[in-house]
Amino acid sequence: QKEVEQNSGPLSVPEGAIASLNCTYSDRGSQSFFWYRQYSGKSPELIMFIYSNGDKEDGRFTAQLNKASQYVSLLIRDSQPSDSATYLCAVRMAGYALNFGKGTSLLVTP
Amino acid sequence: DAGITQSPRYKITETGRQVTLMCHQTWSHSYMFWYRQDLGHGLRLIYYSAAADITDKGEVPDGYVVSRSKTENFPLTLESATRSQTSVYFCASSQTSMETQYFGPGTRLLVL
Repeated sequence: QKEVEQNSGPLSVPEGAIASLNCTYSDRGSQSFFWYRQYSGKSPELIMFIYSNGDKEDGRFTAQLNKASQYVSLLIRDSQPSDSATYLCAVRMAGYALNFGKGTSLLVTP
Repeated sequence: DAGITQSPRYKITETGRQVTLMCHQTWSHSYMFWYRQDLGHGLRLIYYSAAADITDKGEVPDGYVVSRSKTENFPLTLESATRSQTSVYFCASSQTSMETQYFGPGTRLLVL
């Protein structure tokens, strides 16, 4: 079974701090990586995707990929209470399938 | 701009009944997916479709049937509902197999 692992949390950070969310995956053939945000009772919405090793920045969000170590992370700078949600890491192996982690719950406290 | 919609949003049914969950997308995306989300399991793929009349099983297909006669619609049928199928069901679509999947609002199903 190809695994995508995330710490379930909750990860609690104060407003304005950097939140760091991590994800590891077992399949070295994984090709692309996605971060989704899911508010309670809502559907997942895409935050970022990353295909290549290194960093990718989009506003307050930075995705980091290290294929050699098989991990992908999401940094949220200047965290806001509205960032409080569950963050899902998804990994695509060969073909169509996305494997999702179980998600990390983030709580940003005012 | 409707995007991707699901109906019904909430459904209560009894064991043994047939239930159909609808998914409709307005983007003309080729790929459509059905996931279920349960506490402790995360999102799991039930079925997917690469185009009209092309469907294939995902990780947890047992007890479910799908069809795709039109590109924009991808209904999911529970032929004889069981309590273990109580879950939140999400439909998603993407233009190609490699591109981002976009999710519908979900259907919350309770099987009594």
